[in-house]
Amino acid sequence: AQTVTQSQPEMSVQEAETVTLSCTYDTSESDYYLFWYKQPPSRQMILVIRQEAYKQQNATENRFSVNFQKAAKSFSLKISDSQLGDAAMYFCAYRIPLTQGGSEKLVFGKGTKLTVNP
Amino acid sequence: DSGVTQTPKHLITATGQRVTLRCSPRSGDLSVYWYQQSLDQGLQFLIQYYNGEERAKGNILERFSAQQFPDLHSELNLSSLELGDSALYFCASSVTVYNSPLHFGNGTRLTVT
Repeated sequence: AQTVTQSQPEMSVQEAETVTLSCTYDTSESDYYLFWYKQPPSRQMILVIRQEAYKQQNATENRFSVNFQKAAKSFSLKISDSQLGDAAMYFCAYRIPLTQGGSEKLVFGKGTKLTVNP
Repeated sequence: DSGVTQTPKHLITATGQRVTLRCSPRSGDLSVYWYQQSLDQGLQFLIQYYNGEERAKGNILERFSAQQFPDLHSELNLSSLELGDSALYFCASSVTVYNSPLHFGNGTRLTVT
């Protein structure tokens, strides 16, 4: 079974600084997708960034970027120039296609609570 | 706005009762997923429907059931409710390709007293 592990239950960062959230996953598949979702206090689930496993280039979305290490099964999220609005729970998620025996569902980690200090 | 609509936003009911949660997916999305998020927990996959058919089942209790209708909206039925069923229930939808993300509704907060 696929599992996603986020080893940092909580992290904090000073406003304008950079923080990295860790995520590892377990899979025997070669083709899959990885996502980071943000859940602010409003509890809405917001897509932050996604990465295709067959792409070596790390995905970037404005201040958010990932460090994808396929061999190590690691998928960390870096937030640069942290803002107060970045404070949220961050979930790492993994998805495999139906063609490879998956159900296309997302498997989530337990999340990392990020606090941004002014 | 994700385009996924969930109703109601909040639901308070007593143990032993039955409730129905409703979800309207984004226009054009054929897949609907239901997730449960208990307090301070991650999201647990319950069930997925694709174009009216059940596609995958996760850790869904026998007391829970779901369906997707011809207009693609979905309902999650929770019966014989227990205190432990109190949670945030999310519906998400996506197009049928795996590299597309899931778009989540705002969730239904269920409180069982």
